[in-house]
Amino acid sequence: GDSVTQTEGQVALSEEDFLTIHCNYSASGYPTLFWYVQYPGEGPQLLFRASRDKEKGSSRGFEATYDKGTTSFHLRKASVQESDSAVYYCALSDLSGANTGKLTFGHGTILRVHP
Amino acid sequence: GGIITQTPKFLIGQEGQKLTLKCQQNFNHDTMYWYRQDSGKGLRLIYYSITENDLQKGDLSEGYDASREKKSSFSLTVTSAQKNEMAVFLCASSVDRGGERLFFGHGTKLSVL
Repeated sequence: GDSVTQTEGQVALSEEDFLTIHCNYSASGYPTLFWYVQYPGEGPQLLFRASRDKEKGSSRGFEATYDKGTTSFHLRKASVQESDSAVYYCALSDLSGANTGKLTFGHGTILRVHP
Repeated sequence: GGIITQTPKFLIGQEGQKLTLKCQQNFNHDTMYWYRQDSGKGLRLIYYSITENDLQKGDLSEGYDASREKKSSFSLTVTSAQKNEMAVFLCASSVDRGGERLFFGHGTKLSVL
């Protein structure tokens, strides 16, 4: 079945540091890829998505590029702020076969940014 | 805009008890979902529903029942709570069945004594 692997379980940075969270996926079809962000006490919310090879998604200074060759969708931000502290989820939606109607999420990465 | 309301916000139960969680959405979305969130395990799909009275099992449906009697509401029942269980249950909805963009509620935090 489909799967999403986030390499980092937790990341601790200082303000203005560069952020990378690695996401690799496995899917039988041609999935749409997503990054969701969850702030404390809230549900996850969509950060951005990409549905084609080489498409870049971006929002609030975060970006990721769909790479079908390496089956990756790594999240990056050039300069993090304390307000970026949250849990980040990589996810995929595969409309092929029997998978219609659901997202598959990675395990999440806790980002803590210190002032 | 719309909102997803989950009730209760906190739920404390006893081992073996049947517990029901409720979710309402006013987006007029067709598809609704229940996810379980455990620390270090991400979000795992329990049930989803693509329209009123439809139910589809997710990867984690054993031990749960669900009900979609109205388009706007989707309830989840824990059929027999497990001792020391602790998790957050998240309800979500999307405009289409492809799960393209999910809107989540704030969650129900379950603790079982």
